[in-house]
Amino acid sequence: QVTLKESGPGILQPSHTLSLTCSFSGFSLSTYGMGVSWIRQPSGKGLEWLASIWWNGNTYNNPSLKSRLTVSKDTSNNQAFLKVTSVDTADTATYYCAHSNFIHRGYFDYWGQGVMVTVSS
Amino acid sequence: DIVMTQSPFSLAVSEGEMVTINCKSSQSLLSSGNQKNYLAWYQQKPGQSPKLLIYYASTRQSGVPDRFIGSGSGTDFTLTISDVQAEDLADYYCLQHYSYPPTFGAGTKLELK
Repeated sequence: QVTLKESGPGILQPSHTLSLTCSFSGFSLSTYGMGVSWIRQPSGKGLEWLASIWWNGNTYNNPSLKSRLTVSKDTSNNQAFLKVTSVDTADTATYYCAHSNFIHRGYFDYWGQGVMVTVSS
Repeated sequence: DIVMTQSPFSLAVSEGEMVTINCKSSQSLLSSGNQKNYLAWYQQKPGQSPKLLIYYASTRQSGVPDRFIGSGSGTDFTLTISDVQAEDLADYYCLQHYSYPPTFGAGTKLELK
């Protein structure tokens, strides 16, 4: 059974770096084809894919966020991480991590419950 | 980026009715290699994370009721919900995962009439 859970700071100030952790079970990010993606959703708005990391270490970021995103993983502890630098109020959102399988070219089949992040001074 | 144009923005229905939600992509989502369309549909209820309903445009995820039907190919896709139940009231999103970056439609809110 695949489960994922996000954790993060809750609130942070503009210009700071947002660090999020996705802790998961039911799969390993060292197994061929496995991937974890990050998706966010501002309150009352739609979904935006941010980044993905795959079993082989390959990463993909949304170009719309330029070089502000860094995604990484800790295979031994079944965790994936997302860092967003230089945050501002537009980064206020619920952040989700989700599982993908490369064999299916990466739709998101299992999602975490999400963690709400507020950027405010 | 592939743009996903989803319609309508909202839909008011009565229980038992049939509804259709449309999604149009700016490029074909059909893979010539395996003839699969890389289009998925999600349901999101208030306060919950999105739930996968349909993948490859028409394959229901395990446990999804058969009143949810995905169809279409290439650039035009439809999610049909027959015999709408009160529990189906939610936001629905399409997703293309044919190419990076994956992109979602803007969503359709299904409300009770």
